[in-house]
Amino acid sequence: DGGITQSPKYLFRKEGQNVTLSCEQNLNHDAMYWYRQDPGQGLRLIYYSQIVNDFQKGDIAEGYSVSREKKESFPLTVTSAQKNPTAFYLCASKPGLISYNEQFFGPGTRLTVL
Amino acid sequence: AQTVTQSQPEMSVQEAETVTLSCTYDTSENNYYLFWYKQPPSRQMILVIRQEAYKQQNATENRFSVNFQKAAKSFSLKISDSQLGDTAMYFCAFIEMDFGNEKLTFGTGTRLTIIP
Repeated sequence: DGGITQSPKYLFRKEGQNVTLSCEQNLNHDAMYWYRQDPGQGLRLIYYSQIVNDFQKGDIAEGYSVSREKKESFPLTVTSAQKNPTAFYLCASKPGLISYNEQFFGPGTRLTVL
Repeated sequence: AQTVTQSQPEMSVQEAETVTLSCTYDTSENNYYLFWYKQPPSRQMILVIRQEAYKQQNATENRFSVNFQKAAKSFSLKISDSQLGDTAMYFCAFIEMDFGNEKLTFGTGTRLTIIP
């Protein structure tokens, strides 16, 4: 089955620790994205990547980092510099660079800082 | 900067009835795309319907249709013959029609509950 997988589904982190969220897709999509979802705020773009070894900051990139070493993988690291990391994180991918194309979403990771 | 506003945080309707979710947006661009995404309790985001701004005809997908009013910058979603499986958060989203533009702007969502 083609799709996007995110792991883990739930993640707990102590304050001051970095943590990495996994996102993998087997859809052969060029573009990949990370969104953060908070109650009452919709989805906000953290980072996106259009091709391997290249990525751009979204609207709320501070305290986050990403890499794109392989087309199918786009991990997100939440660093200790992120002041309020507790949220639901969604990964998405899209075929090609055409704005009209649908973004396909993964099932999400719920991150809780203890 | 583009903004998307969904003024109805929550709505509920009886099963089999019709419901309309509102969305307005603000942009100075003439060419863009609009989307409605659904997020059921499983939290898996799914595309419901999309509309090209340069098309006057409103998009339809089975029981889902839109009322696109470009001059008013309004993009409402109508769900006909609502079903229990329609219970979800619904997000309106906007993106400029620009090759390589990847910034999809979302509204804050409307939580829709279908009552049996």
